[in-house]
Amino acid sequence: AQSVTQLDSQVPVFEEAPVELRCNYSSSVSVYLFWYVQYPNQGLQLLLKYLSGSTLVESINGFEAEFNKSQTSFHLRKPSVHISDTAEYFCAVSVVQGAQKLVFGQGTRLTINP
Amino acid sequence: EAGVAQSPRYKIIEKRQSVAFWCNPISGHATLYWYQQILGQGPKLLIQFQNNGVVDDSQLPKDRFSAERLKGVDSTLKIQPAKLEDSAVYLCASSLDPSANTEAFFGQGTRLTVV
Repeated sequence: AQSVTQLDSQVPVFEEAPVELRCNYSSSVSVYLFWYVQYPNQGLQLLLKYLSGSTLVESINGFEAEFNKSQTSFHLRKPSVHISDTAEYFCAVSVVQGAQKLVFGQGTRLTINP
Repeated sequence: EAGVAQSPRYKIIEKRQSVAFWCNPISGHATLYWYQQILGQGPKLLIQFQNNGVVDDSQLPKDRFSAERLKGVDSTLKIQPAKLEDSAVYLCASSLDPSANTEAFFGQGTRLTVV
């Protein structure tokens, strides 16, 4: 079975500061990795994903995440955050072989202070 | 393109009552999921449909939860009877196919409060 641990339940940062949201996973088989974002009063949206190839993946709004197989991590980073990044962020995994069954972490609430 | 539609958005019921949620996936999406998100936790898969067949319902509490997708399009999730611990947001998602690398699109969810 797979599991995902998001080490921080809440992360407060100031606007334009850098941020890192940590995610570690456990799995005995190969997995795909995802970050989803949930803005207030909205549904979950895919932010970025790692399937194969380059271990560094980027989103269109400046976030990036790096797959580290040895450390079983997939941390999310942004060099300079904006007020509009305030949201809850979920890390998730899905096994490569078989049907998609997303296993989510507990979520990290990112709060941006002006 | 219309997204995943869910109704109602909010529901408050007393324990031991029954409740039903509805989901209309994105047109053409063969795979439909129901997730339960308890406050402070990540979403947990309850059931996955491929067209009108069940692919995975291993985490569905079948003594009180049921779901159907009769025509392979929209779906209903029912709880009967509800317990206090069923208070959660119920998320519906759909994807084009069930492959693990296919993006799942989520609805806004139904927030259930059992009192």
